[in-house]
Amino acid sequence: GQQVMQIPQYQHVQEGEDFTTYCNSSTTLSNIQWYKQRPGGHPVFLIQLVKSGEVKKQKRLTFQFGEAKKNSSLHITATQTTDVGTYFCAGQEGAQKLVFGQGTRLTINP
Amino acid sequence: SQTIHQWPATLVQPVGSPLSLECTVEGTSNPNLYWYRQAAGRGLQLLFYSVGIGQISSEVPQNLSASRPQDRQFILSSKKLLLSDSGFYLCAGRGEYNSPLHFGNGTRLTVT
Repeated sequence: GQQVMQIPQYQHVQEGEDFTTYCNSSTTLSNIQWYKQRPGGHPVFLIQLVKSGEVKKQKRLTFQFGEAKKNSSLHITATQTTDVGTYFCAGQEGAQKLVFGQGTRLTINP
Repeated sequence: SQTIHQWPATLVQPVGSPLSLECTVEGTSNPNLYWYRQAAGRGLQLLFYSVGIGQISSEVPQNLSASRPQDRQFILSSKKLLLSDSGFYLCAGRGEYNSPLHFGNGTRLTVT
């Protein structure tokens, strides 16, 4: 079945530094979704990318979907302490299944 | 909007005891429903998903089972818990293909 790999597993940055997490799928994806899970909480949907080469921005967050629709990235500019959490990508497999990457846990030194 | 209700929030159970976790959905009909498990500090492992009443797909052979007795109800069960069943169990649902998943608050299960 489909595998979704996400790197790095952990990232610690100083507040104000940038952060990027990368997601790679073993198969072509129909779409990719990104979620954020705060410590002790549940994953919350951030965004969905559908088109090849698509780029979307949410304030300091920039999401990209690769041309081949097999990879994606999330970049945060000038991190803030509120960005702490684990960021997951999830790829659609078939009509029903959403396969999650292992997540990147972001910690920030204020 | 869709809301996922999941309880209890925490649960401590002895090895060999049964388990029943319930999840209910508000705000949408005929949702696709999912059970995920998250080990401490790890990713989300898909356990079961359901596209309708009585329809269950199992992703990982294990000590758990799932049932969907009603359109908006999804139950995760075990007859005899193992230590390895400890984890954070998340119920999720969505109304349409390709739509985002909405998660419940999760149940933190500790098997002792």
